[in-house]
Order: sequence, then C-alpha cells, then structure tokens
Amino acid sequence: DQQVKQNSPSLSVQEGRISILNCDYTNSMFDYFLWYKKYPAEGPTFLISISSIKDKNEDGRFTVFLNKSAKHLSLHIVPSQPGDSAVYFCAVREYGNKLVFGAGTILRVKS
Amino acid sequence: DGGITQSPKYLFRKEGQNVTLSCEQNLNHDAMYWYRQDPGQGLRLIYYSQIVNDFQKGDIAEGYSVSREKKESFPLTVTSAQKNPTAFYLCASSIGNGLNTEAFFGQGTRLTVV
Repeated sequence: DQQVKQNSPSLSVQEGRISILNCDYTNSMFDYFLWYKKYPAEGPTFLISISSIKDKNEDGRFTVFLNKSAKHLSLHIVPSQPGDSAVYFCAVREYGNKLVFGAGTILRVKS
Repeated sequence: DGGITQSPKYLFRKEGQNVTLSCEQNLNHDAMYWYRQDPGQGLRLIYYSQIVNDFQKGDIAEGYSVSREKKESFPLTVTSAQKNPTAFYLCASSIGNGLNTEAFFGQGTRLTVV
C-alpha cells in the first residue's frame, strides 16, 4: 500500500501563473517532508522541506504547506517559469531515516 | 567539490550476469541509499545503510545485494536473480542520525539488460 501518493501524474501551467503540486500521506507519525525536482536522466535535487511542527515554509518562489489533520502537503511555485518544467517528487522521512517517495508529478510550464 | 558520484552512467548487462554499480560520497554522510526508478513510477527503495558495516532491506531488495565497508562507499550488486533489472538506479546520502536534513542524490546509472 502506497504511503505517499501524488494523485496528479501531470500538470500544465502558463508561465507567470501559480503551480500547485499536491501530495497525500497515510501515516500521521511522519515528521519530516521534502520536495525534490528531477530532470530526465539526472538525479533528483532537493527543493524545500518542512518539519511537522510547522505548517508553512517558504524559500523564494517555492512554498510548502503542511496540513497535518488532512495528511496533505502541497508545493506552490509562483510565478512559474519554463525552467521549472520537471518531475516533482514529494518524500516523507520514515522511521529509521528512510525516505519514501511518491510517484511524482510532471510539471509543464508553457511560455 | 563535495558530492555523490555514481559510475558508470550507462551499463549494459547480459542476462544471467551479476553487475555492480558504484556509489561514492565525500560529504562525510553516515546514511546512504539505493533507489530504483522505472518509467512513470516513483523512486523505490532497494537498500539503505545508516552506518558503516550495517544495512537494511528496502521495499524491493530481492535480487540485489550491498556492502558498506567504508563510510564513503555503498556499492550495489544487481544479481542474476533480479527478474527485471533494466531501470535507472539512484544513489543518495544524508547526514542521518535523525536530523532534519535532505538526502543528496548522484546522477544515476542506467542499467540495460541485453
């Protein structure tokens, strides 16, 4: 059973608008959440993270929101740029320092 | 420069052969991980190691083996028992010890069985 779900396989957004990527998790004991960005044939690069003691973390154009009661987190990118086009993975830290990843969402930013 | 190095970038293997993928890091990280990515799927954990000389199975460990004899190195062997080894393999490392830090990834190795 998937512990981390990204239900939208893809998302298309116009340049300059907001991109919202969503992620749901199953275990309320998860305490650390991360977003990664990945280009084809490359390793993922870290974008932003949030601890369970917070509900929002912002870094430039990227903001992550955490709703613990709904077991939901989202990544907002504003304004979206063509260079943001990539696959975005959310990840949670599980017991034993394991990172469990979602299936990813392909973001396409159209210029 | 500090980072994680995976080699080779592309690897071809004949069916029935074992092959070893290299992963080296000079970040002084305690924890290291191997993931596998298949088209249209997320990253699935194969093995991970939190400290030298110790490692644990991930979600899809069957057909794989690892060793962690040095802090800097975490090689992955894809054995002939792995039914569908063609995939993109990613190695990662993190400080570990329960700290809230991210994992850093290598550039990946694409393994193709011919």
